[in-house]
Amino acid sequence: GAVVSQHPSRVICKSGTSVKIECRSLDFQATTMFWYRQFPKQSLMLMATSNEGSKATYEQGVEKDKFLINHASLTLSTLTVTSAHPEDSSFYICSARSAPWEYGYTFGSGTRLTVV
Amino acid sequence: QQPVQSPQAVILREGEDAVINCSSSKALYSVHWYRQKHGEAPVFLMILLKGGEQKGHEKISASFNEKKQQSSLYLTASQLSYSGTYFCGTEGGAGNDMRFGAGTRLTVKP
Repeated sequence: GAVVSQHPSRVICKSGTSVKIECRSLDFQATTMFWYRQFPKQSLMLMATSNEGSKATYEQGVEKDKFLINHASLTLSTLTVTSAHPEDSSFYICSARSAPWEYGYTFGSGTRLTVV
Repeated sequence: QQPVQSPQAVILREGEDAVINCSSSKALYSVHWYRQKHGEAPVFLMILLKGGEQKGHEKISASFNEKKQQSSLYLTASQLSYSGTYFCGTEGGAGNDMRFGAGTRLTVKP
């Protein structure tokens, strides 16, 4: 089945630094990937839609200058959290539409970001 | 725009049944169901398309009532491995971004 690889799985960084999270589709091409954020015991909140070769589409309330998304190829999307603050600490997870289509969305394993 | 899920939490004994509901105020193209274990990524269970359908997956099945924009997930003869948080995800169109409900925390006890 379709596999989405996400790295790193855990990262701790200092306030003010930037962190890059990678999301790769391993055995299929993903022209579109989605980035979600999840707080403990809460739902997955869509942050942005990443489109290969074009600008990402951000959800209302998500700062595009803080959460930089780049979809450089059909298999790679990256999320960079810039000038991280403790309130950015969360579980970030990417997903892509699987192939074949009826297998729904495949999620990466998630990244636990802790900003200290 | 997020679908509404109910109940928020369910506690079952092994072998008992449960129903989780998902509803939307907008027209839906599809409804997805996922299960997430603590600290892990959601795992796809099944997808239902508009037109109304019902699907089965071992002892887990689901239905989609297009007219009411509602879907239900049925868990029968629950097993300990069914524990986790169940999310419904809805799409307004093919390939559109998916929105998730708040989740239903299911706990199956021996």
